[in-house]
Amino acid sequence: IAGITQAPTSQILAAGRRMTLRCTQDMRHNAMYWYRQDLGLGLRLIHYSNTAGTTGKGEVPDGYSVSRANTDDFPLTLASAVPSQTSVYFCASSDGGGGDYNEQFFGPGTRLTVL
Amino acid sequence: GQNIDQPTEMTATEGAIVQINCTYQTSGFNGLFWYQQHAGEAPTFLSYNVLDGLEEKGRFSSFLSRSKGYSYLLLKELQMKDSASYLCAVRDSNYQLIWGAGTKLIIKP
Repeated sequence: IAGITQAPTSQILAAGRRMTLRCTQDMRHNAMYWYRQDLGLGLRLIHYSNTAGTTGKGEVPDGYSVSRANTDDFPLTLASAVPSQTSVYFCASSDGGGGDYNEQFFGPGTRLTVL
Repeated sequence: GQNIDQPTEMTATEGAIVQINCTYQTSGFNGLFWYQQHAGEAPTFLSYNVLDGLEEKGRFSSFLSRSKGYSYLLLKELQMKDSASYLCAVRDSNYQLIWGAGTKLIIKP
């Protein structure tokens, strides 16, 4: 079934630990995104990639890094986790920037708790 | 700054009609999206408006007025499964989505 997968589904992490959230899509979409969703706030863009080999910073990039070695995978790394990074993380993809709908399709999310 | 405003919570009755409003102030405009998000799940795409007017999709319709920075999502013949959060998002001049905090819709029998 085509779509986006994320792993892990949930994780409890000690502060200071390094963590990589995985995201894979099989729709051959050019653009991919990482968001965090916190209660009472809208989805906030962390990092994005318009095409394989390129990445960009979103609204809240500090403390996070990404890479886009190929079209399908877009991992998000927390180098040294802090409690304020406790959130639900969504990965999304779209066909590309500009033109028509280009709606974003979302993965099921990763619920991360940093203690 | 960029801002998307929508009501935090609304309540409606099964079988009725509800309108969820969204106002926005963004740097540039390249379309407005509505997404539905059930509790504990991912957002799913509902509708897209880029020109002024009404777009109808079955029980759901979405309206846009670019001059007023305003949109609404209209849900007809409400069903219990429509209980969810509804997210308004605007694509800005950088083709990134700016999201509202969402409107939690509670449907009562």
